[in-house]
Amino acid sequence: NAGVTQTPKFQVLKTGQSMTLQCAQDMNHEYMSWYRQDPGMGLRLIHYSVGAGITDQGEVPNGYNVSRSTTEDFPLRLLSAAPSQTSVYFCASRPLQGLSPLHFGNGTRLTVT
Amino acid sequence: AQTVTQSQPEMSVQEAETVTLSCTYDTSESDYYLFWYKQPPSRQMILVIRQEAYKQQNATENRFSVNFQKAAKSFSLKISDSQLGDAAMYFCAYRRGLQGAQKLVFGQGTRLTINP
Repeated sequence: NAGVTQTPKFQVLKTGQSMTLQCAQDMNHEYMSWYRQDPGMGLRLIHYSVGAGITDQGEVPNGYNVSRSTTEDFPLRLLSAAPSQTSVYFCASRPLQGLSPLHFGNGTRLTVT
Repeated sequence: AQTVTQSQPEMSVQEAETVTLSCTYDTSESDYYLFWYKQPPSRQMILVIRQEAYKQQNATENRFSVNFQKAAKSFSLKISDSQLGDAAMYFCAYRRGLQGAQKLVFGQGTRLTINP
């Protein structure tokens, strides 16, 4: 089982560049989410989705866009990268109902110079 | 809004000894769930243990157990017989309810070092 797959693992961008972090899951989970991890701040929710065509903002959505055209995929777009977006990004999914835990991808380390 | 606080940025323990990581949370909800996640240097996020707020009995998973004090809003993690493989960042997390899009709120993390 692949679980949650994130690509790329590492990325370096220059200020102002745009890019898309890819996330795919093969567990048919309705709920998908993106977190960013920064030292001393834990993981903070950027955006989430409860199904295809439905997305909503989390705690720190500014500078990021998401879409959910299929159940499997939930890409995160950085529109114009800024040094403040240097972070480790995690995609995670779970069934919408019940107490199943979040299944995390292995993260993307993004550096913006 | 719910908040989760881990007041110990770093902890260290001798191998084979016991260590307790602290976590407090703030909520006005009665139906919620608490989790501890482990993040080793590989960056993978691994669920260690979870606790349902309606259960009075503390959860246990092998060498890992929790001390859940609902009135005090405290949820500490005890690791017994510490092993070198326990070295990691540990995150406490809170989730309100089971229905729908209840998000997972994380604490700041505690970095645990195991001394051989």
